[in-house]
Order: sequence, then C-alpha cells, then structure tokens
Amino acid sequence: EAGVAQSPRYKIIEKRQSVAFWCNPISGHATLYWYQQILGQGPKLLIQFQNNGVVDDSQLPKDRFSAERLKGVDSTLKIQPAKLEDSAVYLCASSPRRSGGADTQYFGPGTRLTVL
Amino acid sequence: GNSVTQMEGPVTLSEEAFLTINCTYTATGYPSLFWYVQYPGEGLQLLLKATKADDKGSNKGFEATYRKETTSFHLEKGSVQVSDSAVYFCALNNAGNNRKLIWGLGTSLAVNP
Repeated sequence: EAGVAQSPRYKIIEKRQSVAFWCNPISGHATLYWYQQILGQGPKLLIQFQNNGVVDDSQLPKDRFSAERLKGVDSTLKIQPAKLEDSAVYLCASSPRRSGGADTQYFGPGTRLTVL
Repeated sequence: GNSVTQMEGPVTLSEEAFLTINCTYTATGYPSLFWYVQYPGEGLQLLLKATKADDKGSNKGFEATYRKETTSFHLEKGSVQVSDSAVYFCALNNAGNNRKLIWGLGTSLAVNP
C-alpha cells in the first residue's frame, strides 16, 4: 500500500511570496490533516478534513493560509503571503475511519519551507 | 481537557543501554495512545500504539503498556542502537474529539557508539 505522498519536499521563498503544498493521502482514507511543525516543537494541527468537508480549522491563520480538498481525495495548502515565521515543516496525514472510534494517523514525509 | 506530558530531553545514552521515556496523559473517556518517531530530516512514523487499558504495543524492540491506573504509556527498549537516535513523540487520540491527536512536546534521543 502506498503511503501519504507530499510535494514538494523542499521550498525556499522570500517573504510576501505565495506557496502551495500538495498532499495525496492513502487510498480510501476519509480523513486528511495538515500540520505545521516548527523546528524543535511538536506538530500543530492546522486543518482537518473529513472527505471534502472541514472538521476543524480553529488553528489555521485564515488571513494567509487556505486549504482545500475538493474531491475528497488529494489536498492543497496555500500560504499567501508568506511571513518569516511560516518557516517550518508542513506535514500531511491521513486516517481511514469515517466516523466514531479513535484511529491511527499516517504521515507523509513533509515539505520543508524556508521563508527568507 | 486532554493533554500529554513527556519527559524532557535530550536523552543521551550509550549503545546497548536501557531506554525509558516517560509519558503521562490526562483524558476523558478511553483514549488510544501512540508513540511516533521522527528520524532526522524525515516525517513522523508510527512506532507503536495501544487502544485499551493493559494493552502492550511493540515494534522494533520498543514496548509501551497502556496503564490506566497511572495514566501512563512509558516507552522502553532493552538495548538501544545508534540508529534509534531520533525524536520520540507520545500522543493520544480520543474518539469523542474528532480523532484529533494531542501531542507531547517530544523527547530527543541521541545514542552514542
């Protein structure tokens, strides 16, 4: 079974530029997550999708960050415009269950963003 | 609310030493508990998990037992290797919480030859 795919792996941009990240979850997984991990810290959940609907985006800085999962499969996360403090690894994860029960999240390799 | 507390790092051990990384939690209901590992420059990988009290998760020589009476899920390995050097994260996942993972801060482990 293929894992969670993310691209690009690395991205360097200047502040005020825009950037987009792509994630393809494990086939059949209903739930998709985007996390931000700043160096030396644990992951911070940005947004959670159940199929193509948003379940939780309470920690997403909506003035500059946006995410979509239009067909309930792959997803994109965009930052516009980027700030220096957005430098981090952006992790995508997916989990299989549609409703009820606690289950395992499977992570992609992440995209390392550097904002100069 | 739900929370996870891990022992602070960094932890430095010699090869073949015994490892314990403490993890305690606070949660309502009956959460599932996880250990994830992050090797240098890589994403998070599930190391092991336990879904109910007294379950023992194990993988790659690592073990952790879900102790409801002490609300703990300590990670152990009898003999660490240099290749175990990584950051280890304890996490919980509560069914009634939109399956949101609640993370500890991570414990960095360095194993010297």
